[in-house]
Amino acid sequence: DAMVIQNPRYQVTQFGKPVTLSCSQTLNHNVMYWYQQKSSQAPKLLFHYYDKDFNNEADTPDNFQSRRPNTSFCFLDIRSPGLGDAAMYLCATSRSGGNYGYTFGSGTRLTVV
Amino acid sequence: QQQVKQSPQSLIVQKGGISIINCAYENTAFDYFPWYQQFPGKGPALLIAIRPDVSEKKEGRFTISFNKSAKQFSLHIMDSQPGDSATYFCAAIDNNDMRFGAGTRLTVKP
Repeated sequence: DAMVIQNPRYQVTQFGKPVTLSCSQTLNHNVMYWYQQKSSQAPKLLFHYYDKDFNNEADTPDNFQSRRPNTSFCFLDIRSPGLGDAAMYLCATSRSGGNYGYTFGSGTRLTVV
Repeated sequence: QQQVKQSPQSLIVQKGGISIINCAYENTAFDYFPWYQQFPGKGPALLIAIRPDVSEKKEGRFTISFNKSAKQFSLHIMDSQPGDSATYFCAAIDNNDMRFGAGTRLTVKP
């Protein structure tokens, strides 16, 4: 089945230690998104890639970076995680050329200790 | 600025009842309105969606009602079941830019 896969499902990292979350998709969608979701809140868009074009949200901290080496993969790098970065990180994809619903992965739950 | 306002924040319904969640938007450029269902520890899953040229869309027990002039849309869940207990997010999309409502936590009591 075509899908969006996030690895790992759970990630524990130390305060200040860089961490990378990964997302892959078999949908061949050209737009990929990273969202941060904290408990009982709506997902908050961090940034997205439209093909290879990176689009950062104005309020996304510099601590968060992203890479998209090819259509299928996208990575979220947190350079120096703080306790406030503990959250669920969601990857999503969509097609361009019209408005379509996004397909989300199951998320990575990040814990910072 | 919250572009999509969703209410209520939480909702408790008896099994077999109707669950109604409301959303309002401001940006008239939005032209696709999906609803997502999210269970704890899972990513949001697309439930049903509507475009603004349609006033109603029904899929099984789920119906979206859309009022373009009022810039409002709502989700109705008929014959609500305990398995429907989840958080529901409305959203609005313009040019691949999706904005979520704040979410509604639905609890369906047996």
